[in-house]
Amino acid sequence: EAGVTQFPSHSVIEKGQTVTLRCDPISGHDNLYWYRRVMGKEIKFLLHFVKESKQDESGMPNNRFLAERTGGTYSTLKVQPAELEDSGVYFCASSRVGGVWGYTFGSGTRLTVV
Amino acid sequence: DQQVKQNSPSLSVQEGRISILNCDYTNSMFDYFLWYKKYPAEGPTFLISISSIKDKNEDGRFTVFLNKSAKHLSLHIVPSQPGDSAVYFCAASETGANNLFFGTGTRLTVIP
Repeated sequence: EAGVTQFPSHSVIEKGQTVTLRCDPISGHDNLYWYRRVMGKEIKFLLHFVKESKQDESGMPNNRFLAERTGGTYSTLKVQPAELEDSGVYFCASSRVGGVWGYTFGSGTRLTVV
Repeated sequence: DQQVKQNSPSLSVQEGRISILNCDYTNSMFDYFLWYKKYPAEGPTFLISISSIKDKNEDGRFTVFLNKSAKHLSLHIVPSQPGDSAVYFCAASETGANNLFFGTGTRLTVIP
């Protein structure tokens, strides 16, 4: 089966601009997660979808971040307007069942805000 | 604030020797612990896990030890191979949770 696909793999934008990251989960995986790793720090949970519903968005840093999963398939994470501290690697993961087992991570999107 | 800590950012080991990666946690509610391995430009991949009802779990060359009283776990790789060179992340979760708390990672280099 195809893995979790994220694009773009890299994005460099100026402070104040908007960026949209996309994640295509493994087909049939109802659970979709976004995580972020800021340079040298830990990988931090952002939010969790079950199908198209946001199950937990407690990790979203502020209202400049908007995640959607229309139709319960792919998901987008929009940052608007981007700030310097938003730079990092954004990982998406999907799983067939809930819980922390069976995560498959994508290779991530490296976002650089200059 | 950080609930899972990996205090060694890097570790170098000779091929064939043992690699020991350490992880500490602060949240006593954590009862599942996982290790992920990450190669450059790839996402983390699951390596091995342990539940708090056990103190050891073994899978081939990889063994994870859990010391609940010390809130400490370690990953042992023996013998280490050059292909094991990667960043290793420790992660933890509570029963019923859907998210993981990760450490900052330890970069392991296995020298041929």
